[in-house]
Amino acid sequence: DARVTQTPRHKVTEMGQEVTMRCQPILGHNTVFWYRQTMMQGLELLAYFRNRAPLDDSGMPKDRFSAEMPDATLATLKIQPSEPRDSAVYFCASGLDQTSGDTQYFGPGTRLTVL
Amino acid sequence: DAKTTQPPSMDCAEGRAANLPCNHSTISGNEYVYWYRQIHSQGPQYIIHGLKNNETNEMASLIITEDRKSSTLILPHATLRDTAVYYCIVRVSFGNEKLTFGTGTRLTIIP
Repeated sequence: DARVTQTPRHKVTEMGQEVTMRCQPILGHNTVFWYRQTMMQGLELLAYFRNRAPLDDSGMPKDRFSAEMPDATLATLKIQPSEPRDSAVYFCASGLDQTSGDTQYFGPGTRLTVL
Repeated sequence: DAKTTQPPSMDCAEGRAANLPCNHSTISGNEYVYWYRQIHSQGPQYIIHGLKNNETNEMASLIITEDRKSSTLILPHATLRDTAVYYCIVRVSFGNEKLTFGTGTRLTIIP
């Protein structure tokens, strides 16, 4: 049963520290998405990649967030420096670029708390 | 992407059919209706999608009105595990573009 995996599942850090979240998409999927969920904003897209190329990162604060895909099996989301307002659950999702019927498969999320 | 409107919450008795409505009056001809759900503390899960015909899979049925301005997700025999927030999303289905989540419907299955 293929699944998207995310590490770590929980992260508590102090303001100003660097945070790196990792995602392993489902093997063979060529699109990867990063979403963030908070009580106030709900689920919102931060960035996404197709064939490892960034397509849209307009939802991401550029000064402190960065998203990369070093290879097809790993996506990373980095926050430096972290701030208390970054506390949220960060979800990674992957999918296939198809002409129709494409769906996204979500990982379990990384719950980030910045003190 | 077209905007959707869903009731904020609904209850359904266990074993009964849960019917979740969604309005999408500004839907375009090339936009699909997708349904995802999010069980507490988990990532969203794909349920079903359709363009204009009714669709059914092992999880649910999707009924889209003829004018495509609204749809209904049907869970035929709801169980306690179906308690979740259900999101109706309308978007073009090409190139697996981003999902824009609204506030969804919080469905509670009552024992």
